[in-house]
Amino acid sequence: GAVVSQHPSRVICKSGTSVKIECRSLDFQATTMFWYRQFPKKSLMLMATSNEGSKATYEQGVEKDKFLINHASLTLSTLTVTSAHPEDSSFYICSGATSGRSYNEQFFGPGTRLTVL
Amino acid sequence: TQLLEQSPQFLSIQEGENLTVYCNSSSVFSSLQWYRQEPGEGPVLLVTVVTGGEVKKLKRLTFQFGDARKDSSLHITAAQPGDTGLYLCAGDMRFGAGTRLTVKP
Repeated sequence: GAVVSQHPSRVICKSGTSVKIECRSLDFQATTMFWYRQFPKKSLMLMATSNEGSKATYEQGVEKDKFLINHASLTLSTLTVTSAHPEDSSFYICSGATSGRSYNEQFFGPGTRLTVL
Repeated sequence: TQLLEQSPQFLSIQEGENLTVYCNSSSVFSSLQWYRQEPGEGPVLLVTVVTGGEVKKLKRLTFQFGDARKDSSLHITAAQPGDTGLYLCAGDMRFGAGTRLTVKP
């Protein structure tokens, strides 16, 4: 299956700082990448969809100035949480999809656990 | 907004038992995916169903897509402790709330 990596797997930061999370597709070209947020024992909430070379499309209620997404290449997308606050603490998961497969099939990274103190 | 409702929300069974979990919606989907997620990890794709009425088997797991492509089910035969996890259905990048399965040895 297609492999997606995320880095870092865990990060702890102070309130007010910014944190960047990287998502890489290792063995396929991800024309579209998705960013999700997951609260403990809850399902995944789609935050934004990004296509390579284009601006991300954010879901309703997600602040685009707070969660900056860059999809500069077919194998890398980044999510930057700016001026992080404790309420931003969560499990962030990315996924990639390729036009070579069914559009709706996504391959997920292992997730990044963010803790904001 | 297309909503996917999964049931049951929680399921705890003994090893060897059979179980079925459901994914229902009022919307029609071109395809539905089933994923399994373990704590602290990302979801892993199990199957995609595309055709109404389709049945797919993956070892002890049987997936069915409703004729109207609005619902799906996952049946596990002779469950094992290794089947423990969160089972998620998804359509059009939207996820259901999941069924948290625990299989006790």
